[in-house]
Amino acid sequence: AQSVTQLDSQVPVFEEAPVELRCNYSSSVSVYLFWYVQYPNQGLQLLLKYLSGSTLVKSINGFEAEFNKSQTSFHLRKPSVHISDTAEYFCAVSDRGKLIFGQGTTLQVKP
Amino acid sequence: KAGVTQTPRYLIKTRGQQVTLSCSPISGHRSVSWYQQTPGQGLQFLFEYFSETQRNKGNFPGRFSGRQFSNSRSEMNVSTLELGDSALYLCASSPGGSLQETQYFGPGTRLLVL
Repeated sequence: AQSVTQLDSQVPVFEEAPVELRCNYSSSVSVYLFWYVQYPNQGLQLLLKYLSGSTLVKSINGFEAEFNKSQTSFHLRKPSVHISDTAEYFCAVSDRGKLIFGQGTTLQVKP
Repeated sequence: KAGVTQTPRYLIKTRGQQVTLSCSPISGHRSVSWYQQTPGQGLQFLFEYFSETQRNKGNFPGRFSGRQFSNSRSEMNVSTLELGDSALYLCASSPGGSLQETQYFGPGTRLLVL
């Protein structure tokens, strides 16, 4: 079975600084990869996903993630964060028809 | 289009009771999945329904069950509640259930078991 490891439980960063949230998954077989964001008292929203093709995928709000098959990683990056990016971020991998989530990374953007 | 709705949003029960949670998917979506979110275990898959049939199931005891109606609305039931069942229960819908499709999550039902 697949597993997902998010290497940092909390990432504090100042506004306008770059950020990277790290995600590794367990298997190098063909998978779909996802990043979801959860704001306080809300459900999850899809940020971006990798299904196939270009290994670099981007969201509409400036986040991007790169699929690295050899390192089984799917790290999320943003070159300049805003206060409004403060939230919990979940990496997920497909596994036999269901999503397997990492434990989450809380991104705290400070002014 | 209206998003995924879940009712109730908050629920307090005592040990041994049972509870039923409801999820209304986005119009036209036929797949509904349920997840449990706790601080200790994170997000865990419960089950998925498609066209009134359970198509996939996670590793939860039989106290957790669900069903889906012909209008795609889904309910999940937890019998003989335990303290450890306290969690945020999320449902997600998608048109056909393929993971290539985007899953849209509801705001969740927060269950507290005393």
